[in-house]
Amino acid sequence: EAGVAQSPRYKIIEKRQSVAFWCNPISGHATLYWYQQILGQGPKLLIQFQNNGVVDDSQLPKDRFSAERLKGVDSTLKIQPAKLEDSAVYLCASSLGSGGAYEQFFGPGTRLTVL
Amino acid sequence: DAKTTQPNSMESNEEEPVHLPCNHSTISGTDYIHWYRQLPSQGPEYVIHGLTSNVNNRMASLAIAEDRKSSTLILHRATLRDAAVYYCILREYNNNDMRFGAGTRLTVKP
Repeated sequence: EAGVAQSPRYKIIEKRQSVAFWCNPISGHATLYWYQQILGQGPKLLIQFQNNGVVDDSQLPKDRFSAERLKGVDSTLKIQPAKLEDSAVYLCASSLGSGGAYEQFFGPGTRLTVL
Repeated sequence: DAKTTQPNSMESNEEEPVHLPCNHSTISGTDYIHWYRQLPSQGPEYVIHGLTSNVNNRMASLAIAEDRKSSTLILHRATLRDAAVYYCILREYNNNDMRFGAGTRLTVKP
């Protein structure tokens, strides 16, 4: 079974530039998550989708971050404009169902460096 | 989500069992106990989860205290590949949220 795919794996941009990350979840997984992991910390949830609808985006900095999940499959996370503090690993995860009974499967992440 | 407490770091010798503790004294009756691990430069990896009873899978065993206020992740024979940060997380049955703490950094010595 193929895992969660993410691209690109690495990205270096200047501050105030824009950047987008792509995620392809495991086939059949209805729930998709984006996390931000700053060096030395645990991942922090940014947004979660159930099919193509947003379930929770309370921790997403909406003035600069946006995400969409068209057709309930692939998802993109965008940052515009980027700030230095956005340097982090952006992780995508998916799960078969919602709630604590289901495990989440993570992709390898995209490491973003903002200069 | 209820809070968990884990030691910052632990060491183990290769091929010996490892017991990673987690305290969650404020756990509710509907909280699942999840364990994930993160190897260097990789995304987190699911290890095991349970609700009330002990659980076993090919990766590890999860021992849950009778009062559910603590749990222990057991790696039966540690290998160098098991060196990682291990996260113990509580998740409500009807909540997708998963809040990571600092975890336990496990070092495995050859």
